[in-house]
Amino acid sequence: LQLVESGGGLVQPGGSLRLSCTTSGFRFSDYWMSWVRQAPGRGLEWVANIKQDGSEYYHVDPVRGRFIISRDNAKNSLYLQMGSLTAEDTAVYYCVREKGDFWSGDDAFDLWGQGTMVVVSS
Amino acid sequence: DIQLTQSPSSLSASVGDRVTISCRASQSIRRYLNWYQQKPGKAPKLLINDVSTLQSGVPSRFSGSGSGTDFTLTISNLQPEDFATYYCQQSYETPPITFGQGTRLDIK
Repeated sequence: LQLVESGGGLVQPGGSLRLSCTTSGFRFSDYWMSWVRQAPGRGLEWVANIKQDGSEYYHVDPVRGRFIISRDNAKNSLYLQMGSLTAEDTAVYYCVREKGDFWSGDDAFDLWGQGTMVVVSS
Repeated sequence: DIQLTQSPSSLSASVGDRVTISCRASQSIRRYLNWYQQKPGKAPKLLINDVSTLQSGVPSRFSGSGSGTDFTLTISNLQPEDFATYYCQQSYETPPITFGQGTRLDIK
């Protein structure tokens, strides 16, 4: 079971970045998937998630309209397209598997990647 | 949005102690409350889901309880590897999925 994020780095304010998460060891298309971020020295913040077939997706208010979550089940991969970045987006971004059903309430983050760091600075 | 408030924000304890971390929700989340452990520089790890269901491999010294708005994570007989930051998270009323602010557990 593995989730491996990539695509993080240093980007200027107002810039864009695309994060990727490559998965293995489980049937990717069976799971809701999320991105969760953690600013330096801060707590965890859920960013976005996407349904198994990509037909539903949700974003937290601070990123809605700037970030877009997507997935490619043929490539067992999850993505986060990030735009209009600000310093407040500086964080480690984790790719996370949801173990349950998002709409039932019986849900949790049971598998995490190692994270990729995004730094927004001039 | 449902707010989760953890208390205390930090605590110090000794090996062998029993500690309790609280998580209070701004409205009822029934039993849809999960707990995570995070060590420095590492990704969080799911410990408990649905208030009290231990994940495979999690030691039995960890336990969870509560319902509605008040929840508790208890660690009995603290071990050196238990010193970490703990987060609660609700999956009941979403989106958004929300976390508590975290409780840092240090060695006294």
